[in-house]
Amino acid sequence: SQKIEQNSEALNIQEGKTATLTCNYTNYSPAYLQWYRQDPGRGPVFLLLIRENEKEKRKERLKVTFDTTLKQSLFHITASQPADSATYLCALDRGYSGAGSYQLTFGKGTKLSVIP
Amino acid sequence: ETGVTQTPRHLVMGMTNKKSLKCEQHLGHNAMYWYKQSAKKPLELMFVYNFKEQTENNSVPSRFSPECPNSSHLFLHLHTLQPEDSALYLCASSQDLGGPRGYEQYFGPGTRLTVT
Repeated sequence: SQKIEQNSEALNIQEGKTATLTCNYTNYSPAYLQWYRQDPGRGPVFLLLIRENEKEKRKERLKVTFDTTLKQSLFHITASQPADSATYLCALDRGYSGAGSYQLTFGKGTKLSVIP
Repeated sequence: ETGVTQTPRHLVMGMTNKKSLKCEQHLGHNAMYWYKQSAKKPLELMFVYNFKEQTENNSVPSRFSPECPNSSHLFLHLHTLQPEDSALYLCASSQDLGGPRGYEQYFGPGTRLTVT
């Protein structure tokens, strides 16, 4: 079955540094990979989507890479700020089922804490 | 605000009670989802609806009963739940036009359910 692993449950980083989160997957070749942010007691919020034919995607201080050979995605936050503290979820598409539904498989997430 | 609302935000119910969770999306999307999020576990997809038709039921116990009267509203009817059903229940929507492309999902704030 598909398996998604996010490198660690928790990551602490000093303010101003670059945070790097890892998402590894097995037994699947997704066409798309998504990253979400989740704050305590709230629903996940979509951040970025990257396609299998894209090596890198950027949005402001965020950067995502997608290596289909390594079966890995890296999520970077540059110049990190305390407000970036949250849990970040990696999600892989399970493909179009043909029945009109599109589904994601989520990792457990990495809780990032940016220390002032 | 993500355009997806959920009520109630918190719910405590006994094992013999019957209650319902409500979700409404104001984004004009055609696909809606119910997820369960337990501590230390990834988001678990429960049900998928597309254009009001249920397209996925991920082996969810019959004590959970979904209802989708139209593309904007989704309900989860609960009865005779177990304490292990205590979790955050999240509703999401997406614009799923089918075919080979990814669609981000928009989540509501969730309902924190406690079964006593």
